[in-house]
Amino acid sequence: AQSVTQPDIHITVSEGASLELRCNYSYGATPYLFWYVQSPGQGLQLLLKYFSGDTLVQGIKGFEAEFKRSQSSFNLRKPSVHWSDAAEYFCAVGAGNFGNEKLTFGTGTRLTIIP
Amino acid sequence: DAGVIQSPRHEVTEMGQEVTLRCKPISGHDYLFWYRQTMMRGLELLIYFNNNVPIDDSGMPEDRFSAKMPNASFSTLKIQPSEPRDSAVYFCASSLKRGGQNGELFFGEGSRLTVL
Repeated sequence: AQSVTQPDIHITVSEGASLELRCNYSYGATPYLFWYVQSPGQGLQLLLKYFSGDTLVQGIKGFEAEFKRSQSSFNLRKPSVHWSDAAEYFCAVGAGNFGNEKLTFGTGTRLTIIP
Repeated sequence: DAGVIQSPRHEVTEMGQEVTLRCKPISGHDYLFWYRQTMMRGLELLIYFNNNVPIDDSGMPEDRFSAKMPNASFSTLKIQPSEPRDSAVYFCASSLKRGGQNGELFFGEGSRLTVL
């Protein structure tokens, strides 16, 4: 069975600073990988996804993630964070013929932005 | 376009009562998912449907939980009888597979359930 580890429960970053959120996955086959963001009281919104091809994936809101098979990682990055990026971020790995019928989520990383 | 619509947004009930959560997926989407989010367990997939047919309910915690999708525009998640450990936020999500392209999951805003 697939699993996802997000080792950082909470990260605090200054506005304008760079950001990297870590994600490690475990899956026997080629993974389908996702990053979602959740604002307080809201549902999850897809930031980006990796299915195949270029290992550097661009997403919305200026986010990107890099798939590294050798490290079983899919870390999320942003060069300069904005106060509006404060939220909870979830990494997920998908299984199934469709790639995301069965998403397994990590426990999330809460991002706080300080002025 | 309207997104995934869930009701109620908040529900407070007493142990032993029946709870019904409702979901209207995005029109035209052919997959519907029910997730549960708790502090202890994070986000868990409970069940998902394809074209109104349940495909995998292995995440449903026990027989007290049941889900139906009588048509393409409506699904329910029922808990009977409810217990305090069922307190969580329940999310519905829908997606569309387009000719081999993997569709994005669109989540509703969730139904926060508190069982006293």
